[in-house]
Amino acid sequence: EAGVTQSPTHLIKTRGQQVTLRCSPISGHTSVYWYQQALGLGLQFLLWYDEGEERNRGNFPPRFSGRQFPNYSSELNVNALELEDSALYLCASSLTQISYEQYFGPGTRLTVT
Amino acid sequence: DQQVKQNSPSLSVQEGRISILNCDYTNSMFDYFLWYKKYPAEGPTFLISISSIKDKNEDGRFTVFLNKSAKHLSLHIVPSQPGDSAVYFCAAKTGGGADGLTFGKGTHLIIQP
Repeated sequence: EAGVTQSPTHLIKTRGQQVTLRCSPISGHTSVYWYQQALGLGLQFLLWYDEGEERNRGNFPPRFSGRQFPNYSSELNVNALELEDSALYLCASSLTQISYEQYFGPGTRLTVT
Repeated sequence: DQQVKQNSPSLSVQEGRISILNCDYTNSMFDYFLWYKKYPAEGPTFLISISSIKDKNEDGRFTVFLNKSAKHLSLHIVPSQPGDSAVYFCAAKTGGGADGLTFGKGTHLIIQP
């Protein structure tokens, strides 16, 4: 069974640009979560999508947004990139919205210069 | 305000001995706790979890203990093996259903031969 996949693996952007990160959950999983892991910090919860709806978001500004498609894959969009957005962005999926175990992808390393 | 704390950034243990990783939390609304293991350049891997209604959960070499009155949990690995060398994250969630997880900053476990 294929795990959570993310693309791209690495990305370099300039401050002020916009970026889109992609995630495909484990087959059959309906919930997708996004996390940010900045240098020296733990994983910070960004967004949670289930059945195409945004269910919750962490303490991040509105320039962090996303969506979930009918096939349960998801995109994370970050507008007006700032230097401190440089981080590892991790996507996780869970079987349903009542399943607590989340399974993570390998992440996308974003560098903002 | 860090709600999940892992106060030991690193821990060194001899192969074959017990590894004990600790985690403290401040939010009494947390109702489910999880441990993840992370190798460099990979996403976190789910290890073991425990509900707040239990005080112990075992899975092979891994046991998680929860002390609700002390707001403390620990992960025991017995016996420790070289492949256990990784960063271990403690995570927690609130509410009656799925939601984003709150993570600690991690403990780097090093198993020495």
